[in-house]
Amino acid sequence: VQLQESGPGLLKPSETLSLTCTVSGGSISSFYWSWVRQPPGKRLEWIGCIDYSGNTNYSPSLKSRATISVDTSKNQFSLTLTSVTAADTAVYYCAGDMNSIAWSYYWGQGSMVTVSS
Amino acid sequence: EIVLTQSPGTLPLSPGERGTLSCRASQSVGSSNVAWYQQKPGQAPRLLIYGASLRAAGIPDRFSGGGSGTDFTLTISRLEPEDFAVFYCLHYASSTWTFGQGTKVEVK
Repeated sequence: VQLQESGPGLLKPSETLSLTCTVSGGSISSFYWSWVRQPPGKRLEWIGCIDYSGNTNYSPSLKSRATISVDTSKNQFSLTLTSVTAADTAVYYCAGDMNSIAWSYYWGQGSMVTVSS
Repeated sequence: EIVLTQSPGTLPLSPGERGTLSCRASQSVGSSNVAWYQQKPGQAPRLLIYGASLRAAGIPDRFSGGGSGTDFTLTISRLEPEDFAVFYCLHYASSTWTFGQGTKVEVK
């Protein structure tokens, strides 16, 4: 199973961040999927997850701005984050696991997103 | 909200040495939902341990995890040159993930 993030590298404050994770080598309907981000030089931060039934959970700090969805026809899942600020500058990772929602075995390489005017 | 505190912040070791990393939870947690990751510069995290003590696929047996309640450990029995990295513990509860702040294992 391989994951690949795609999306804009640069955004302006107040814009909406949209990232897509393309899954190859496995069915998107059989996994638990998550998004994790890492600001430069800082710790990993969980954003949220979605299960194979479409049920979502989000970090309390991002819940009001984040949306995760799955497109089974394209074997992709996505993250939308509204009203971005410089604090949202980070490497964004998509991740997944076939057996558990409590961790992820498979990770994408990461996509750097910079928010700057 | 559960807070995970990792110690030490930095652990200087030499290849061949044994390293023990600590992850302490602010309240008692289920060990079945504790995991450890390794992250090297410019790379995605790699799952090492899940369920507190189970090695993920492809992980060498020099990595071992343990603990219960509030205290969890990751032990590297004999450090190889490729093991120097930042290690994070992770806990899942109430439908959320929480990461520790990380321990950097560096060359002494």
